[in-house]
Amino acid sequence: EPEVTQTPSHQVTQMGQEVILRCVPISNHLYFYWYRQILGQKVEFLVSFYNNEISEKSEIFDDQFSVERPDGSNFTLKIRSTKLEDSAMYFCAGGVMRTEAFFGQGTRLTVV
Amino acid sequence: AQRVTQPEKLLSVFKGAPVELKCNYSYSGSPELFWYVQYSRQRLQLLLRHISRESIKGFTADLNKGETSFHLKKPFAQEEDSAMYYCALAGNTDKLIFGTGTRLQVFP
Repeated sequence: EPEVTQTPSHQVTQMGQEVILRCVPISNHLYFYWYRQILGQKVEFLVSFYNNEISEKSEIFDDQFSVERPDGSNFTLKIRSTKLEDSAMYFCAGGVMRTEAFFGQGTRLTVV
Repeated sequence: AQRVTQPEKLLSVFKGAPVELKCNYSYSGSPELFWYVQYSRQRLQLLLRHISRESIKGFTADLNKGETSFHLKKPFAQEEDSAMYYCALAGNTDKLIFGTGTRLQVFP
């Protein structure tokens, strides 16, 4: 059974550096999402992406964040200049229908 | 404001006992409600959604609009049910609003 795949599984970066988190959704997915979970806190919505554009973003998703789906398969989340508080588990999700979300296994981002 | 509340951080039961994981929500319209499960070191998986009204792995959940609740129930817990359970809500947009989760521990 196909799965949403995320790479890397763990990323350590220095504060101020740029990071790119990668996701390969299932091929027939039309809706794409990024969520994050800070340790000990709830899973929080960051951004949704449909029809090659952002359909919704949260307050967390400020100018430091961007998403891309450059080649029709990979879906990336870029954080331009990381802060300590960006340390979290980042989940990619995709679905065929609105609100349907199949999650990847997550990327643990540690900013030092 | 859209909000999902899971009042219990941890629920411990013995194998064979009934389980009820509580979920209350706040939303002014007609929400879609979901339960997700995360087994140890695995990804978040959709367990069930209220519109499908199905039973998965013996779990059921009924949307009670009067009480704004979507509690997850299973009559006889199994050890393999031990996991983190998240209730989630979708309103009139694509995003999911998650609760803080309840860890279910089923002892032998």
